Amino acid sequence: DAEITQSPRHKITETGRQVTLACHQTWNHNNMFWYRQDLGHGLRLIHYSYGVHDTNKGEVSDGYSVSRSNTEDLPLTLESAASSQTSVYFCASSESSASTDTQYFGPGTRLTVL
Amino acid sequence: AQTVTQSQPEMSVQEAETVTLSCTYDTSESDYYLFWYKQPPSRQMILVIRQEAYKQQNATENRFSVNFQKAAKSFSLKISDSQLGDAAMYFCAYRVQKLVFGQGTRLTINP
Repeated sequence: DAEITQSPRHKITETGRQVTLACHQTWNHNNMFWYRQDLGHGLRLIHYSYGVHDTNKGEVSDGYSVSRSNTEDLPLTLESAASSQTSVYFCASSESSASTDTQYFGPGTRLTVL
Repeated sequence: AQTVTQSQPEMSVQEAETVTLSCTYDTSESDYYLFWYKQPPSRQMILVIRQEAYKQQNATENRFSVNFQKAAKSFSLKISDSQLGDAAMYFCAYRVQKLVFGQGTRLTINP
């Protein structure tokens, strides 16, 4: 069955380190998204991609970057981790960018920055 | 800016009874889509139901149904015959181009 996976599921790192969170989907979806989830804020969009080599900033993109070299993967990089980036991170994908299209979510990565 | 508001941080219901979760949104768009997602303790976000704004008929999925009031910008979720497995965080979301989430409602099912 097609799925979307994230790794690692849990990560503890130190302030200032570079961290990369992986997202891999086998739906063959064009669109992929990264969100962070914090108490009281629901999910907020960090970056998104509508296809290979396409990336776009979301609502809370500062301190994060993404690259899309193939259809299946959209890794999220924290260039210099900060304590404010402690959060749960979700990757999602959808077949198209149409508003009708449902986004399917991965299981999440809990990141702690000490 | 589009916003989604869930005014009930927590709700509880007796098993087998019916519960309604509230959601309101703010938009100037006329064509958009609304979703309810469920997030159990496993943290996986699971689509429960979705509604197209151009459709007057309320969406239903088994025990889950919505009450969509476009003029009032309201989109509530009704869960009938509540089951223990329904216990989770529930998020309302709105989408024109990007998906915008509410803050969530934690639903507890009392046996």
